[in-house]
Amino acid sequence: DAGVIQSPRHEVTEMGQEVTLRCKPISGHDYLFWYRQTMMRGLELLIYFNNNVPIDDSGMPEDRFSAKMPNASFSTLKIQPSEPRDSAVYFCASSLSIVGRRYTFGSGTRLTVV
Amino acid sequence: QKEVEQDPGPLSVPEGAIVSLNCTYSNSAFQYFMWYRQYSRKGPELLMYTYSSGNKEDGRFTAQVDKSSKYISLFIRDSQPSDSATYLCAMDPNAGGTSYGKLTFGQGTILTVHP
Repeated sequence: DAGVIQSPRHEVTEMGQEVTLRCKPISGHDYLFWYRQTMMRGLELLIYFNNNVPIDDSGMPEDRFSAKMPNASFSTLKIQPSEPRDSAVYFCASSLSIVGRRYTFGSGTRLTVV
Repeated sequence: QKEVEQDPGPLSVPEGAIVSLNCTYSNSAFQYFMWYRQYSRKGPELLMYTYSSGNKEDGRFTAQVDKSSKYISLFIRDSQPSDSATYLCAMDPNAGGTSYGKLTFGQGTILTVHP
């Protein structure tokens, strides 16, 4: 299995631009999580899905952030408009419900907003 | 106060040393306890997984949970330079609904094992 695949690995964009991060979870996993990691705040859960349905988006910082999961093999996290304070590493993780909490993380997308 | 507290270090030890990494927590509902290892520029990977109190051993790694003290530890024996990474503790209440599988992570401890 190729694991959780995220793209792009790096993204540099100008303030105000739209940014779309992509994730392909492990086949058969029914949970998908989006996390953000910064030095100051560590790993923060933004949103998670179960069977493609958003379950908890309480961690999404504001309306500029949105996430979708149109099918079991693809999810996007969109920031529009982007701001410098959004600069962070964004991780996608997936898990299989019967083993619950054993996440497999992707390698992350390093976002820099200038 | 954060739900999970972890000393960020950094921690630097010589090869072969025993390493002790720790987390404290305040939420007594936490039932599942995990340790993730994160190499530079990579995502965290699950290292150890325990349920409730007690010890669990896996090779050179031992995880301990003391729920009465709200304290968990990870011990690394005979540490190697390849163990150099950030170690994150993570916890989860045994709950359903929107809390299912929702991990709370510590800040992470940066460990360097030098030859």
